[in-house]
Amino acid sequence: EAQVTQNPRYLITVTGKKLTVTCSQNMNHEYMSWYRQDPGLGLRQIYYSMNVEVTDKGDVPEGYKVSRKEKRNFPLILESPSPNQTSLYFCASSNWTRGFQETQYFGPGTRLLVL
Amino acid sequence: AQTVTQSQPEMSVQEAETVTLSCTYDTSESDYYLFWYKQPPSRQMILVIRQEAYKQQNATENRFSVNFQKAAKSFSLKISDSQLGDAAMYFCAYRSVFGNEKLTFGTGTRLTIIP
Repeated sequence: EAQVTQNPRYLITVTGKKLTVTCSQNMNHEYMSWYRQDPGLGLRQIYYSMNVEVTDKGDVPEGYKVSRKEKRNFPLILESPSPNQTSLYFCASSNWTRGFQETQYFGPGTRLLVL
Repeated sequence: AQTVTQSQPEMSVQEAETVTLSCTYDTSESDYYLFWYKQPPSRQMILVIRQEAYKQQNATENRFSVNFQKAAKSFSLKISDSQLGDAAMYFCAYRSVFGNEKLTFGTGTRLTIIP
């Protein structure tokens, strides 16, 4: 089954304690992206990756890091989480062809609470 | 930069009736894609319908259809024969044909179905 998986699905942590949210897709997609969703703001892009070893900032990258060492994985790293990073996070992937038929597939979301 | 506006934070409709959710966007580009995503209580992001800007014909998917007015930069979603399972947050999204495939989302409309 084609899917994007995220782990963990729920996480409560404390300020300053480094954490990683994993994202994995089994569709051989080149493009992967992270979004955060906050009430009244919709979803905003944090980082994206066009392919292995190619990453770039989205609209709200401050406080986050990513890596793309393998095509299927795109972890989101919070080196020193702060309460303003409490949010719902989504990973998404798609084929990098610019074709209309290429739809972004979303993971199930990770709800993060930083105390 | 592109922006997407959903001016209706909440809408409600009687079961089996028709409801229209509004979306406007701002862009200087002539070709782009528009999407409606549904987010049920499970928080999963589900693609409902999509539209290519160069296509004048409005997209339809079963009970879901759009009214795409390119000159007015308007992209409304019509849900016919509303069902209880349609209750969700609905997001309008824009994607450029250029750039990083980023989806720019509106702030969402929460749809309630009244039995």
